[in-house]
Amino acid sequence: QSVLTQPPSVSGAPGQRVTISCTGSSSNFGAGYDVHWYQQPPGTAPRLLIYVNSNRPSGIPDRFSGSKSGTSASLAISGLQAEDEADYYCQSYDISLSASVFGSGTKVTVL
Amino acid sequence: QVQLVESGGGVVQPGRSLRLSCAASEFTFSSYALHWVRQAPGKGLEWVAVISYDGNDKSYVDSVKGRFTISRDSSKHTLYLQMNSLTGEDTAVYYCARGRTRGNNQDFDYWGRGTLVTVSS
Repeated sequence: QSVLTQPPSVSGAPGQRVTISCTGSSSNFGAGYDVHWYQQPPGTAPRLLIYVNSNRPSGIPDRFSGSKSGTSASLAISGLQAEDEADYYCQSYDISLSASVFGSGTKVTVL
Repeated sequence: QVQLVESGGGVVQPGRSLRLSCAASEFTFSSYALHWVRQAPGKGLEWVAVISYDGNDKSYVDSVKGRFTISRDSSKHTLYLQMNSLTGEDTAVYYCARGRTRGNNQDFDYWGRGTLVTVSS
């Protein structure tokens, strides 16, 4: 069972906006640790999508945005496109485990 | 362009050992922490281990402590993962990833393509 909880799946029509939640606890987000997000299309390696809560690496479209508040974080994808179909993971650090931790993952389907 | 290329995966019997390698290029190897992350078939990502930029600090997920050893060779720009006493639970694609920031809460800004380890008799 993952320390960071995500919904198993979300879906939306092309052009719509979807959000993915990531729920943590007092030993990770609540302890002040930031959240990072990764996108993993089928059969490929993950790639960094958002770092330190809300920052996009070079080359990531501004359709992707992130936020964090208290013990929760979220990733929003606006203007959904077919190429956004992928698994998405949140990641942080857990002080109780003394380890980096990933969320359980969310599959995004474009209808 | 930063490159990380894993190798060394394969089929291994339970209880045996395997060493994975990750060849790094196009960045200052000795300036970055490096991580191993694994993904069991059809499952999510699991962080496995990290080694600091200078090799002095190492950390592991509980499930591999005492069995896996992470190391790095700056002269070869290569990261390693020595895996001993393997079990079926270790079957996964193993990725190496670069840790971008200092401190514990690193993000992983570059990833290799992964190498598959299958533990089976």
